[in-house]
Amino acid sequence: GAGVSQSPRYKVAKRGQDVALRCDPISGHVSLFWYQQALGQGPEFLTYFQNEAQLDKSGLPSDRFFAERPEGSVSTLKIQRTQQEDSAVYLCASSLSDSLYNEQFFGPGTRLTVL
Amino acid sequence: AQSVTQLVSHVSVSEGTPVLLRCNYSSSYSPSLFWYVQHPNKGLQLLLKYTSAATLVKGINGFEAEFKKSETSFHLTKPSAHMSDAAEYFCVVSDGGGSYIPTFGRGTSLIVHP
Repeated sequence: GAGVSQSPRYKVAKRGQDVALRCDPISGHVSLFWYQQALGQGPEFLTYFQNEAQLDKSGLPSDRFFAERPEGSVSTLKIQRTQQEDSAVYLCASSLSDSLYNEQFFGPGTRLTVL
Repeated sequence: AQSVTQLVSHVSVSEGTPVLLRCNYSSSYSPSLFWYVQHPNKGLQLLLKYTSAATLVKGINGFEAEFKKSETSFHLTKPSAHMSDAAEYFCVVSDGGGSYIPTFGRGTSLIVHP
């Protein structure tokens, strides 16, 4: 079956614009994670959903970042009033359950460039 | 609290020679440890994972890693490098501790010369 998909793959925004990044997880996967990966760094945790519940948003860098997963499947990460420091690759991952033993399946990422 | 350290950012080997990518971790609990690989323009893929069973873990594409609690290490090895192994490798720790949030290392880029 299909893996995790993300759209758009690339996004260029002018500083101050709002952006919305979409993640389609693997069907039936309970857990969904968002990560931010800066150039030359490992992914850093942003937020975590179990079904539609956002259980942890401690990694969101500011109140300009907002994520939702209203029906427990597709998720959207929204960034308001983008800043240059928001430029990064945003990764989405899903896993079958919330067990820490479970493999996470990653999407290809959305590369956001803020000018 | 949990953390993972990949001190070396780049490792260069010749095709057919052994690969060693180092990872050290810190955890207040019994951790789960993972290695993921990221090829250019592709999503991260799980290579292998340790979840408190056998300390020597075998993964895909001939990779393996050994969990050494006394050294707080989880180094990744492969006997013979292939050109297709050239990629970015991330060590990941998840120790439960009330949450399931994994922590990624900064990554090690493996360069394979013909």
